[in-house]
Amino acid sequence: KAGVTQTPRYLIKTRGQQVTLSCSPISGHRSVSWYQQTPGQGLQFLFEYFSETQRNKGNFPGRFSGRQFSNSRSEMNVSTLELGDSALYLCASMVTVGTDTQYFGPGTRLTVL
Amino acid sequence: QQQVKQSPQSLIVQKGGISIINCAYENTAFDYFPWYQQFPGKGPALLIAIRPDVSEKKEGRFTISFNKSAKQFSLHIMDSQPGDSATYFCAASIPGNTGKLIFGQGTTLQVKP
Repeated sequence: KAGVTQTPRYLIKTRGQQVTLSCSPISGHRSVSWYQQTPGQGLQFLFEYFSETQRNKGNFPGRFSGRQFSNSRSEMNVSTLELGDSALYLCASMVTVGTDTQYFGPGTRLTVL
Repeated sequence: QQQVKQSPQSLIVQKGGISIINCAYENTAFDYFPWYQQFPGKGPALLIAIRPDVSEKKEGRFTISFNKSAKQFSLHIMDSQPGDSATYFCAASIPGNTGKLIFGQGTTLQVKP
């Protein structure tokens, strides 16, 4: 099976812009979670989607949003970018039935200038 | 209470030695404890995971030891190899807290030839 894929892999934006990141989960996985990874804060949970519904949300401002499509693919959006949003954004997929195992994609490296 | 504390921050081990990374938690509701390995430029990859009803789990050279009363768990890498040089993260999750992993701060392991 193909792993979790994320596009784009690298992105450079300027402050105030918005950005959309995409994640395709492993085939058959219906849950998609998003994480932000920075050197200072480590890996932090953003939100989780299942069957097109957000089931869980971390402690991030409303500028961070996401959605999931009927094919389980997910997007996350960050509006009004700030310098502190520079990070590696990771997507993870999970089967959700009988396991908690999350499989991570390679991430999207976002740089905000 | 939601934190997972990981130590040491960095570790240098000689080839063939044992690498030991420790994690501690406060929230007794945690019921799933995975360890992830991350190489530069890659997403975290699941190494091994354990639940509180088991005190030890071994997969190849990797062993998790779990001490429920002390609320601590550790990763042991036996016969450490230069290819094991990576950043290791412990994590924990609460049942029903769907898709949310709480990560430790990470340990950068360097295995010297």
